[in-house]
Amino acid sequence: GNSVTQMEGPVTLSEEAFLTINCTYTATGYPSLFWYVQYPGEGLQLLLKATKADDKGSNKGFEATYRKETTSFHLEKGSVQVSDSAVYFCALLVGGGNKLTFGTGTQLKVEL
Amino acid sequence: EAGVVQSPRYKIIEKKQPVAFWCNPISGHNTLYWYRQNLGQGPELLIRYENEEAVDDSQLPKDRFSAERLKGVDSTLKIQPAELGDSAVYLCASSFRTGDTGELFFGEGSRLTVL
Repeated sequence: GNSVTQMEGPVTLSEEAFLTINCTYTATGYPSLFWYVQYPGEGLQLLLKATKADDKGSNKGFEATYRKETTSFHLEKGSVQVSDSAVYFCALLVGGGNKLTFGTGTQLKVEL
Repeated sequence: EAGVVQSPRYKIIEKKQPVAFWCNPISGHNTLYWYRQNLGQGPELLIRYENEEAVDDSQLPKDRFSAERLKGVDSTLKIQPAELGDSAVYLCASSFRTGDTGELFFGEGSRLTVL
């Protein structure tokens, strides 16, 4: 079956620190990969995506590269801000119907 | 543009009671999804609608859960009777078209507590 494994949180960083949130997957087929973010009091929203191997998704200073050889899609940001504090979900899509498979989420806390 | 609207935001009920959640998707979005998110877990799909038609309800526990999307716009998810294990956040999402873009727009969710 399809599954996504994320590093457990919470991840606590100081402002301007480098961020990495690990995500690995297993999939029956060739998936598209996504990062969704949920800010406090808001619904999940798409942060970035990549649809084929070696593609890099990027948005708001965040980046993730689709690594087929390691079945990974790690999220990175060079300098986090307090406003980046949120829960981040890695997800994959295989087949039709926009049926996303989500990881368990990683909470990020950024402190001054 | 208004986002996906859900109500109620919070609901506390005793087991065996019924409960209903309502969702209004983004205008023009023909695809609507209901997800359930248990504590510490990622969202899991319960049912997907294309307009009025439920095209994927394979994960919906049909003995106690039901859903409808009359006129292809608003949707209601019902649980009757509720059990302790139904405590979760129920998320509604919508997307513009069926194509597999993976871009869903989520509401804030309805948090259910069953006592």
